[in-house]
Amino acid sequence: EVQLVESGGGLVRPGGSLRLSCTASGFAFSRFDFNWVRQAPGKGLEWISYISTDDTTIFYAHSVKGRFTISRDNAKNSLYLQMNSLRVEDTAFYYCARAGFTTFGVGNFDSWGQGALVTVSS
Amino acid sequence: DIVMTQSPDSLAVSLGERATIKCKSSQSVLYRSNNKNYLAWYQQKPGQPPRLLIYWASTRESGVPDRFSGSGSGTDFTLSISSLQAEDVAHYYCQHFYSTPWTFGQGTRVEIK
Repeated sequence: EVQLVESGGGLVRPGGSLRLSCTASGFAFSRFDFNWVRQAPGKGLEWISYISTDDTTIFYAHSVKGRFTISRDNAKNSLYLQMNSLRVEDTAFYYCARAGFTTFGVGNFDSWGQGALVTVSS
Repeated sequence: DIVMTQSPDSLAVSLGERATIKCKSSQSVLYRSNNKNYLAWYQQKPGQPPRLLIYWASTRESGVPDRFSGSGSGTDFTLSISSLQAEDVAHYYCQHFYSTPWTFGQGTRVEIK
């Protein structure tokens, strides 16, 4: 069974930092691209970052570029999101999402973790 | 950036009736080279992460009931639930994958009338 488990969420002051982790099991982690998607409480979904299988290709949304860093450790079956210079508007549930394997590039997110809540508040 | 606009924002449908959700992209998400529409649909129930329903605009994900179907091409897409069940009460989101950022629609809430 595919499982993605996020950890590292919590309360942080504006301007602070936090590192999220996503630990995968039940499949060959190294063969899949991954993403982070966030959702402010009661709001819609926002894709924020992507990383390829060998981390040679990385993308960020405009809202987090320069502040957040995505990375992965295939030996540990883990995905990470380093979040710096956090703002109140970064408060959200953060989901790791696996990109479904296709021969036509990324076309869907086929598995999601349960999410980690990050609250940025003074 | 491609803007995804869903309609309506909220929808109330009687059990057993059809529910239809529209998604419009601000530019085409059809790649002519492979004739694929880079458009997916997700379902999100309260307190749960999103669940993939449809990708390539019309391909149903494994395990998704066949009452869910996707259609459309280019800039206009539709998610249909042919016979609404109580367990289909949820928010539904479209998302494009044509170019980054891979934006979502604002979501459509589906409830029972």
